[in-house]
Amino acid sequence: EIVLTQSPGTLSLSPGERATLSCRASQSIAGNYLAWFQHKPGQGPRCLVYGASTRGNGIPDRFSGSGSGTDFTLTISRLEPEDFAVYYCQHYGYSPYTFGQGTRLDFK
Amino acid sequence: QVQLQESGPGLVNPSETLSLTCTVSGASVTSGSHFWSWIRQPPGKRLEWIGYISNSESTKYNPSLQSRVTISVDTSKNQFSLQLTSMTAADTAMYYCATGSCHSGRCYEPWGWGPGALVTVSS
Repeated sequence: EIVLTQSPGTLSLSPGERATLSCRASQSIAGNYLAWFQHKPGQGPRCLVYGASTRGNGIPDRFSGSGSGTDFTLTISRLEPEDFAVYYCQHYGYSPYTFGQGTRLDFK
Repeated sequence: QVQLQESGPGLVNPSETLSLTCTVSGASVTSGSHFWSWIRQPPGKRLEWIGYISNSESTKYNPSLQSRVTISVDTSKNQFSLQLTSMTAADTAMYYCATGSCHSGRCYEPWGWGPGALVTVSS
């Protein structure tokens, strides 16, 4: 089973700033089958990026994913007020498909 | 646009079986190009993938839950369901149904989620 470790646990920033979120895998993720999700209270998670770097349908271009192998990054270039939420990475290379523990993005 | 909505009991007694249903609109649960999955999140913990069904009958389950889980589809109602037996307090969680795409026998990221249903295990 692949264990995903996200850092930092909490990130406190202001609107307009740049956010960099990390996801590290315990073993290499073949095919870069790695997705990033945004999760807000009372809603299901929203897929932002899949295949490590491809933005989902309708996702603003301020969200970008990068990385390969065991190290992946989600960057939000300029934070908007609606971006403050919890972010998860997930691998879907093979079963079981596991998630990171999440990074909470808070208002500074 | 595919939309999903979970329904089921909010409270389950210990040792009993949980039954949750996900109603799908905007796609058919018989579609060979989608998978239909369940994912849960216990309070204060990370999301946990439970399993999925594709092509109406092909299932894949998390090995940690495999002995207790069944995912099935009801084509007449365009729904899919989760059954989880021998419930304990450790199964208390927000349960989500989700869908994604499959191609050539491989399934990918879950891009469509329901809002979730809270299930508490308590007598």
